[in-house]
Amino acid sequence: DGGITQSPKYLFRKEGQNVTLSCEQNLNHDAMYWYRQDPGQGLRLIYYSQIVNDFQKGDIAEGYSVSREKKESFPLTVTSAQKNPTAFYLCASSPAENYGYTFGSGTRLTVV
Amino acid sequence: RKEVEQDPGPFNVPEGATVAFNCTYSNSASQSFFWYRQDCRKEPKLLMSVYSSGNEDGRFTAQLNRASQYISLLIRDSKLSDSATYLCVVPFYGQNFVFGPGTRLSVLP
Repeated sequence: DGGITQSPKYLFRKEGQNVTLSCEQNLNHDAMYWYRQDPGQGLRLIYYSQIVNDFQKGDIAEGYSVSREKKESFPLTVTSAQKNPTAFYLCASSPAENYGYTFGSGTRLTVV
Repeated sequence: RKEVEQDPGPFNVPEGATVAFNCTYSNSASQSFFWYRQDCRKEPKLLMSVYSSGNEDGRFTAQLNRASQYISLLIRDSKLSDSATYLCVVPFYGQNFVFGPGTRLSVLP
């Protein structure tokens, strides 16, 4: 079955450490997205990519980086510059404009 | 004005009740709209798409009013399993979607 896989499900980061969240899709979707959700709040866009080797900043890109070397993969790195990284991170993809998103099951990141 | 606003909730309704949520958006050029359902600590899942004046799927009806720039979601005969947060989603600037803050629904036995 096609879908989006995010890993790990839970991740703990020490202060000052970079961590990378994985997102892989086998839906053959062109566009991929990363969102952050804080408790009781809506989703905020971090980065998005509409085509391989190209990506754009979303509303809260500071302290994050991404790459899109393959259509199937869109990893997100949370750098030490992100001062408040504890959140629920969601990866999504869509086939084209005006189509809804398919989400991965998310990664819960906690700073310890 | 925020890009996408929703009824703040929470809505606490008895089983079998009919409940409606509203969502307003600021981008008059938006053509398609979505309602997502998000269970606690889970990812959002697509509930309904709205491309024209509305859409109906079983107990769920979504209506679009372009002139007033709002969409609504009506749930009839509420079930306990309908308890979740409902997210209104509106596309802005092409392919990027803006999510509303969500409306939480609790269906009580």
